[in-house]
Amino acid sequence: AQKITQTQPGMFVQEKEAVTLDCTYDTSDQSYGLFWYKQPSSGEMIFLIYQGSYDEQNATEGRYSLNFQKARKSANLVISASQLGDSAMYFCAMRAGGTSYGKLTFGQGTILTVHP
Amino acid sequence: DAMVIQNPRYQVTQFGKPVTLSCSQTLNHNVMYWYQQKSSQAPKLLFHYYDKDFNNEADTPDNFQSRRPNTSFCFLDIRSPGLGDAAMYLCATSRGGDYITDTQYFGPGTRLTVL
Repeated sequence: AQKITQTQPGMFVQEKEAVTLDCTYDTSDQSYGLFWYKQPSSGEMIFLIYQGSYDEQNATEGRYSLNFQKARKSANLVISASQLGDSAMYFCAMRAGGTSYGKLTFGQGTILTVHP
Repeated sequence: DAMVIQNPRYQVTQFGKPVTLSCSQTLNHNVMYWYQQKSSQAPKLLFHYYDKDFNNEADTPDNFQSRRPNTSFCFLDIRSPGLGDAAMYLCATSRGGDYITDTQYFGPGTRLTVL
């Protein structure tokens, strides 16, 4: 079975500063994918970034980067130069073998608030 | 822009009155998913279609059904909504293929209220 743990229910950051959202995962599979999604109060889940278990480089997408530490089973999301529009719920998710096709295992989410 | 569209954005129904939620996509993706998300919780997968193949999650109540008449459209039918079915319903699509790398793209959701 897969499990995603996000230990920070809420995080606060000052505008223009960087913030790290924590995500640890548990799976016995060697091949897996890790995803981060942003969910503003409007409700839409917005895909941010993907990291594969065999990727040697940390994924980056604009202001988003993923600090992937395979041995520690962590996949933390780093947002650089925070903007007010970054205020949202952030979900870490994983897909691995042994589950039905398409089933993403989500963490509990972290609410990020960006202060001006 | 290619996208996932859900209609309506807000739906109010009465207890026990059937309701249908709609999802369409212009991404030409093979896989379409329906999720239920209750307040302050992570989304929960109800079922998905890989092309025309329907895949139901084991814990999805029989009250929830789905139809995919063509590649672009997918519907969620709730036969007899209960108060516990009030939630955000999210539709997602993905290209298919390698299930590890296959990224899901979500629509804006339909917020269902049951009176």
